[in-house]
Amino acid sequence: AQSVTQLDSQVPVFEEAPVELRCNYSSSVSVYLFWYVQYPNQGLQLLLKYLSGSTLVKSINGFEAEFNKSQTSFHLRKPSVHISDTAEYFCAVREGQGAQKLVFGQGTRLTINP
Amino acid sequence: EPEVTQTPSHQVTQMGQEVILRCVPISNHLYFYWYRQILGQKVEFLVSFYNNEISEKSEIFDDQFSVERPDGSNFTLKIRSTKLEDSAMYFCASSVENTYEQYFGPGTRLTVT
Repeated sequence: AQSVTQLDSQVPVFEEAPVELRCNYSSSVSVYLFWYVQYPNQGLQLLLKYLSGSTLVKSINGFEAEFNKSQTSFHLRKPSVHISDTAEYFCAVREGQGAQKLVFGQGTRLTINP
Repeated sequence: EPEVTQTPSHQVTQMGQEVILRCVPISNHLYFYWYRQILGQKVEFLVSFYNNEISEKSEIFDDQFSVERPDGSNFTLKIRSTKLEDSAMYFCASSVENTYEQYFGPGTRLTVT
């Protein structure tokens, strides 16, 4: 069965520092991968996605993630974070063989300190 | 930019009562979903809906739950005889096709007392 593991429940970093939020998944078939962000008191917003093609995908606000099939990972990175990046980040997986449901990780709370 | 909307934002109900959570998906989307997030836990899939019928559901989605698209714009989740453990944030989502990304609404926080 599919599962998604986000190894860090909380990640505190200083402003302008780099950050990596880790995501590993298990699946026996091909997958589509997503990162969603949830700002305080808001819903889930799609941050970026891997469907096919280049394994490195980027968002408009400086985040990027790389699909690594051999390590079954889809880690999220940003070279320099801003206070406004404070949020909870969820990794999600959907199997590519007709399944429709997203399977989510438990989330990582990113806190940016000035 | 089009977005998924949900009403109400917060619903408080007594145990045993029925609740209906409402969602308006993005207008050209064909697939609709409900997820829930119990406080401190993962976001969990409940059900997907396409062409006026359920296309996939989880083990959570038992006879207590039902979904409906009563008109061309709304998508509802009904919970009959609510239980304390139904307290959660319920998210509606929609997608153009099942292979595309899902866009989520802001959620309805359901509190069962």
